[in-house]
Amino acid sequence: DAGVTQSPTHLIKTRGQQVTLRCSPKSGHDTVSWYQQALGQGPQFIFQYYEEEERQRGNFPDRFSGHQFPNYSSELNVNALLLGDSALYLCASSSGRGTANQPQHFGDGTRLSIL
Amino acid sequence: AQSVTQLGSHVSVSEGALVLLRCNYSSSVPPYLFWYVQYPNQGLQLLLKYTSAATLVKGINGFEAEFKKSETSFHLTKPSAHMSDAAEYFCAVSDRASGTYKYIFGTGTRLKVLA
Repeated sequence: DAGVTQSPTHLIKTRGQQVTLRCSPKSGHDTVSWYQQALGQGPQFIFQYYEEEERQRGNFPDRFSGHQFPNYSSELNVNALLLGDSALYLCASSSGRGTANQPQHFGDGTRLSIL
Repeated sequence: AQSVTQLGSHVSVSEGALVLLRCNYSSSVPPYLFWYVQYPNQGLQLLLKYTSAATLVKGINGFEAEFKKSETSFHLTKPSAHMSDAAEYFCAVSDRASGTYKYIFGTGTRLKVLA
């Protein structure tokens, strides 16, 4: 049973560029959430997708956008990259319409470094 | 607004000693609570969850946590530390009253196990 898979594992970009990160949820899961984890910090919620719609969003600028596909996989796009966007980006999936008591299962993340 | 506080960013214990990692939450309504562990260069793995059933929750790898409403706490314990327990531990809350789906994480506690 495959868990949450993310690609790529590492990425290096320069300021001003754009990046796309990808996530495949755990089998049977239909809800995908994205988190940003800066070095030495806990993960911060970016947004959540369910039924191909953004259901909830955290305190992140519009430079952060996403998409969910019919097969429940998801992409996170970040435009106009800043040095402060350097972080580990985690994808989490859940089932049961992503209700509050359902545990989220995390991938190993994409390490994004901005030069 | 929901929040989570983890007291002690670093905790050191001897192998075989009791592990106690502290987590306090703020909420007017008891939330759903989770403990996750993160090993270096990996994502987050669910240790255990509290979703209003038994107040003493048993998780994987010998960990358990007790929900105490009067103290708004959900501390994580393990009777005997093992070298493989060295990792970072995160407490998270999922807002139950508002039905939001995002997790709010604490800043994490890095556990060091001394031989």
